[in-house]
Amino acid sequence: RKEVEQDPGPFNVPEGATVAFNCTYSNSASQSFFWYRQDCRKEPKLLMSVYSSGNEDGRFTAQLNRASQYISLLIRDSKLSDSATYLCVVAGSNDYKLSFGAGTTVTVRA
Amino acid sequence: GAGVSQSPRYKVAKRGQDVALRCDPISGHVSLFWYQQALGQGPEFLTYFQNEAQLDKSGLPSDRFFAERPEGSVSTLKIQRTQQEDSAVYLCASNLGGGLYGYTFGSGTRLTVV
Repeated sequence: RKEVEQDPGPFNVPEGATVAFNCTYSNSASQSFFWYRQDCRKEPKLLMSVYSSGNEDGRFTAQLNRASQYISLLIRDSKLSDSATYLCVVAGSNDYKLSFGAGTTVTVRA
Repeated sequence: GAGVSQSPRYKVAKRGQDVALRCDPISGHVSLFWYQQALGQGPEFLTYFQNEAQLDKSGLPSDRFFAERPEGSVSTLKIQRTQQEDSAVYLCASNLGGGLYGYTFGSGTRLTVV
C-alpha cells in the first residue's frame, strides 16, 4: 500500500467553480503535511503547508484530519491558471524526506 | 545561482549504457536531495546529502545507482548499465539547512532508456 493515496482525477471544472479533493496517508506518525503544485513537464512547487487547525491562502483552503488520516484541498473561484496536478505530500519524524502522492489533476475550462 | 540547475535537460540512453546527471543547487544550500518521478507518479525519494556527506541513500533502487557530492555543492547521480525501468524524470532539490521547508526543486532530467 502506498504511503500517500490520491484520487488521480481528472477534475474538469468551469471557471469560477469550487473544486475539492482529498488524499489519505498511512503513517500515523506523520507530522508535516503540504500541498505541492506541478505544472505539465515542470518541477513541483510548494503551494501551501497544512496545519492541524486548517488554513487558507487566498482562494485555497487546506484541512487536516489526523484521526482519519486525510488531508483536503479546496479551490474557490477557480481560474484557468489553476489547471495543474496537485501533489499531496507527507513527512515523518526524520525531518527531511518528503513522501508524495501520485497527484490529482485539475483542469479548469473557460 | 538563482535556482537549482540540472543538466542535461533530456537524456536518451541505450540499455546498458552508463549515464551521469548533474545538479547545481542554490548557492549556500547545505542540503541536497534526489528524487525519481516515473510517468504518472509522484516523486520518490532517492538520497539525501548534507554538505558532502550522504546521510541517507535508502531510496536508491539498486546498486546500479550511485550519487556523490564531493565538495558539498554540485552533485552527480550516476546510473550504471541503464535498464528500461530507469526511464523517469530525476529531480534534484536543495534547501538551506535540511528540514522540510524551503525545498526548491530543479526542472529535472528526463531520462529515456531505449
